Amino acid sequence: EVRLVESGGGLVKPGGSLRLSCAASGFTFNNAWMSWVRQAPGKGLEWVGRIKSKSDGERTDYAAPVKGRFTISRDDSKDKLYLQMNSLRTEDTAVYYCSTTPRTLAAAEYSQHWGRGTLVTVSS
Amino acid sequence: SYELTQPPSVSVSPGQTARITCSGDALPKQYAYWYQQKPGQAPMLVIYKDSERPSGIPERFSGSSSGTTVTLTISGVQAEDEADYYCQSADSSGVVFGGGTKLTVL
Repeated sequence: EVRLVESGGGLVKPGGSLRLSCAASGFTFNNAWMSWVRQAPGKGLEWVGRIKSKSDGERTDYAAPVKGRFTISRDDSKDKLYLQMNSLRTEDTAVYYCSTTPRTLAAAEYSQHWGRGTLVTVSS
Repeated sequence: SYELTQPPSVSVSPGQTARITCSGDALPKQYAYWYQQKPGQAPMLVIYKDSERPSGIPERFSGSSSGTTVTLTISGVQAEDEADYYCQSADSSGVVFGGGTKLTVL
């Protein structure tokens, strides 16, 4: 059974930094593409970014609102995914979900399995 | 930027058929996906590649595509289907979600 458990959320001041983790189990993590999706309180889903597998070059892509501030990385030896968030803004307040992303070469990417999420609150 | 448009809400009585639409210019060229999200829970994939159903998803959930519109159909709606539903696709900038549709079972 695929299991994804996010951690690291909390309260941070504007301009601050936070690193989220996602512990994965139940599948071969080093072959998997992984994504982060967020959801502001009472709002819809918003894609944050994705990292491909090492065999696919560990390429990362990001949504425009977070590009240059957020970095996705992975540690295949620990079956963990990370989201480093810098220069945080109040509008980054959201529940952050990690998800598995089936490998696609041309079709639109999507999230197959989801964690339960971790809440990040950016406030002074 | 690319947008996917969904109706904010749909209401149906138990046993009826619910149809939730999602419109976007790139949908003829890219697959669409549908997620169900119940209050306080993570989203769950219910339809992928326009019309495929993941294992464990009831047969009453189906998806279809026609031009720039994709549709999630729930036949014989049950009370447990009350939730928010999001469509999703992608363009050259990345993954895009629709604004979500709240399905109310009357």
